[in-house]
Amino acid sequence: NAGVTQTPKFQVLKTGQSMTLQCAQDMNHEYMSWYRQDPGMGLRLIHYSVGAGITDQGEVPNGYNVSRSTTEDFPLRLLSAAPSQTSVYFCASSYSTAKGQPQHFGDGTRLSIL
Amino acid sequence: DAKTTQPPSMDCAEGRAANLPCNHSTISGNEYVYWYRQIHSQGPQYIIHGLKNNETNEMASLIITEDRKSSTLILPHATLRDTAVYYCILSMYSGGGADGLTFGKGTHLIIQP
Repeated sequence: NAGVTQTPKFQVLKTGQSMTLQCAQDMNHEYMSWYRQDPGMGLRLIHYSVGAGITDQGEVPNGYNVSRSTTEDFPLRLLSAAPSQTSVYFCASSYSTAKGQPQHFGDGTRLSIL
Repeated sequence: DAKTTQPPSMDCAEGRAANLPCNHSTISGNEYVYWYRQIHSQGPQYIIHGLKNNETNEMASLIITEDRKSSTLILPHATLRDTAVYYCILSMYSGGGADGLTFGKGTHLIIQP
């Protein structure tokens, strides 16, 4: 009963480094998305995907890339890390984008950029 | 502009019903009301959603007013593990599309022993 799995749970990077945050779900969900949550704030949508091979930008996409080569995986890439990207990152999935489908969230990746 | 308005914090005694209000006076006819909660350092957890009718599941009940301009989430017998930030969210979809789910600041519910 894994649900949505995010790795790593914690990461510290230096400014300018690149890395990939992993997200995998085992529920055969079509829709997957990435959010970031800054201290004292709600979640903001970075990128989303409505199915394999299809991705699109959310509210705050700058500095991030995504791809969706399989239904199960939706990695988030930081191209050149900046201190402003220090945040907690959550991946979410749902069966479809149809009305009434709940989102399932992972437990997050806590990322610090020095 | 916030689409929903929630009190920033609430207290409730353990074992009592916790009633969390949400105002959404500009809700459109095809928007659902979703409730999620976030326990400290964890990912958000889906609780319940509804369109017009009251809804109940194993976690909570959702009461939506007839004009749909406000709603109340009810946790019938609150426990210490229900201490969390509760988010009331409007969405036409499950969260698909560029809008995603718009998480505001929510209500920090503190269950007192």
